[in-house]
Amino acid sequence: QQPVQSPQAVILREGEDAVINCSSSKALYSVHWYRQKHGEAPVFLMILLKGGEQKGHEKISASFNEKKQQSSLYLTASQLSYSGTYFCGGDNQGGKLIFGQGTELSVKP
Amino acid sequence: DTEVTQTPKHLVMGMTNKKSLKCEQHMGHRAMYWYKQKAKKPPELMFVYSYEKLSINESVPSRFSPECPNSSLLNLHLHALQPEDSALYLCASSQVAGQTRQGTQYFGPGTRLLVL
Repeated sequence: QQPVQSPQAVILREGEDAVINCSSSKALYSVHWYRQKHGEAPVFLMILLKGGEQKGHEKISASFNEKKQQSSLYLTASQLSYSGTYFCGGDNQGGKLIFGQGTELSVKP
Repeated sequence: DTEVTQTPKHLVMGMTNKKSLKCEQHMGHRAMYWYKQKAKKPPELMFVYSYEKLSINESVPSRFSPECPNSSLLNLHLHALQPEDSALYLCASSQVAGQTRQGTQYFGPGTRLLVL
C-alpha cells in the first residue's frame, strides 16, 4: 500500500518554510526521506525508526508519529537548492520500501 | 563513500535489440535493487538481490532479466522491449535486504532508456 504524501506540490520563496506529510494506512516499520532533482538519482535525506523520533539535517528535519502512522518533513528557511521532488519511502514490515507519489517543491528567488 | 555507479547514462534501443544495463557499488552492501521510474512518478521496485541471489521479483516481464555476477555488480539484461518500457532505470544498494531499519538504500544516477 503506497504511502500518501501531501501536498502534491508547493511553491516557496527563498527563506520560507514548508512541511511535507507522509501517511500510511498500515503500520510503518521505518520511514525514509529522499529528494530527487530533475534527471538525477534520489538522494537520501534521513531515516526514522522510532515513534516520535525526530532527526535533523542542516535546516531539514523530520518526525515520525507512530500512532498516526505519519511522518512529516520540515524545511526551514528554504534555499534554491531545496527545489526538487521529495519522496517518502515506507516499510510496512515487508522489508521493501514503497514510495509515496512525491511532493514537488519549487523554491523561487 | 556512498556511490553507486550505473552505465550507460542513456540508451536508445529498438524493440528487437538486446542490451544490458550495469550497476556497481563498493560499499560492501549485500543487497542490490533495480527500480523503474516513469516521469513524475515514484520509483517502482523490480528486483531485489540478497547475497547475490534473487530474493524478490515484482512480477516483472521476462523481457527483463537480472543478473548478479558478484556482490559488487548488478546487471539488467533487456530483450524485445516495448515502447512503454521507456523509463529511468535506477539501481540501488543497501547493507542487507529486508532490513530497512538497519540502513537505507543508496541510488545510482540511473540509465535513461528509450525504446523505439
